Amino acid sequence: KAGVTQTPRYLIKTRGQQVTLSCSPISGHRSVSWYQQTPGQGLQFLFEYFSETQRNKGNFPGRFSGRQFSNSRSEMNVSTLELGDSALYLCASSLRTPNEKLFFGSGTQLSVL
Amino acid sequence: AQSVAQPEDQVNVAEGNPLTVKCTYSVSGNPYLFWYVQYPNRGLQFLLKYITGDNLVKGSYGFEAEFNKSQTSFHLKKPSALVSDSALYFCAVRDGGRDDKIIFGKGTRLHILP
Repeated sequence: KAGVTQTPRYLIKTRGQQVTLSCSPISGHRSVSWYQQTPGQGLQFLFEYFSETQRNKGNFPGRFSGRQFSNSRSEMNVSTLELGDSALYLCASSLRTPNEKLFFGSGTQLSVL
Repeated sequence: AQSVAQPEDQVNVAEGNPLTVKCTYSVSGNPYLFWYVQYPNRGLQFLLKYITGDNLVKGSYGFEAEFNKSQTSFHLKKPSALVSDSALYFCAVRDGGRDDKIIFGKGTRLHILP
């Protein structure tokens, strides 16, 4: 069974640009959540989707958005990139809710120059 | 709002000695508690979780964690450390009384010294 797949693996952007990251969950998993990992802040929750509906959102500005498609694949978008958005963005999936075991992807390393 | 704290940024333990990685939490309802591990150049992996039941939870790779309600702690333990246990460990909590987001600690880097 394939794991959680995130694309692209690496991204380099400049300030002011926008970026879209993609996540394909494990087959059969309907819950997808996104996290930002930085050395100083650790792992911070961005948002959680279940059956195409956003169930929870973390404390990030509106520049961060996401969506989930009917096949459970998810995308997150960051508009008007800032230097501070440089981070590893992780996606995780679970069967129904994050109370269950989360399976993480390898992440997308975003560098904003 | 819930929160989770990992008071140590780094823990050093000699190989073969017992190890403890500390975690304390704050929630308004019943806590759902988790430990995840991130090995170098590998993704985050689930170690164990506490939802309800026995306060001592056993997980992967010989790790266990003890839920202590009075101290609001969920420390990760292993009786005998291996060099291969060197990694970044994250504690996480979700408030079981509400449909709320999962909160991760900032992580503790564990160094096992040969």
